[in-house]
Amino acid sequence: DVKVTQSSRYLVKRTGEKVFLECVQDMDHENMFWYRQDPGLGLRLIYFSYDVKMKEKGDIPEGYSVSREKKERFSLILESASTNQTSMYLCASSLTESNQPQHFGDGTRLSIL
Amino acid sequence: DQQVKQNSPSLSVQEGRISILNCDYTNSMFDYFLWYKKYPAEGPTFLISISSIKDKNEDGRFTVFLNKSAKHLSLHIVPSQPGDSAVYFCAASRLNSGNTPLVFGKGTRLSVIA
Repeated sequence: DVKVTQSSRYLVKRTGEKVFLECVQDMDHENMFWYRQDPGLGLRLIYFSYDVKMKEKGDIPEGYSVSREKKERFSLILESASTNQTSMYLCASSLTESNQPQHFGDGTRLSIL
Repeated sequence: DQQVKQNSPSLSVQEGRISILNCDYTNSMFDYFLWYKKYPAEGPTFLISISSIKDKNEDGRFTVFLNKSAKHLSLHIVPSQPGDSAVYFCAASRLNSGNTPLVFGKGTRLSVIA
């Protein structure tokens, strides 16, 4: 079974802090993704990566950056956290073949005070 | 512009009856569709998929129907069980476009009442 592990289930940070959300997958997947889920807005793609050191902007990249130094790890960085970044953050991974489903982690509920 | 739309934010169904969740898409380039199920405080889990060469795919109690001309797909759950209560997301992609990410709808919250 594919395992996507997000480092924290719950996180509380202060406005202006630099926040790191970590995600690790154990199935040698090439593709990794970061989403946020908000009520009434569904899943919105922040950034994704098809390979080590590669990254692509999703639909809402503003205020975020990512890092993929190793194939199994994809980090989401909030450069200067703001209250509107309070959300559920979901990491996913998949194989390169387009018909392979994404596998999600359990999410990190991030609160910015 | 929303390319994948789930127009019903919520749905309530009695246990044992059929649940029908609907999804519409606007991009005619989409040729692969997936349904995910999400419980609170958990990540979405893959449920079932269908490619555009088919109009139906079945897996146990779950069946997905695709109407390409109407750009519409639906997920049928028969019979519905209380454990099916969750948020269901429809997603679409282009199979032969390489690494194009999935496009998700906003989700439909299904409540199955015992």
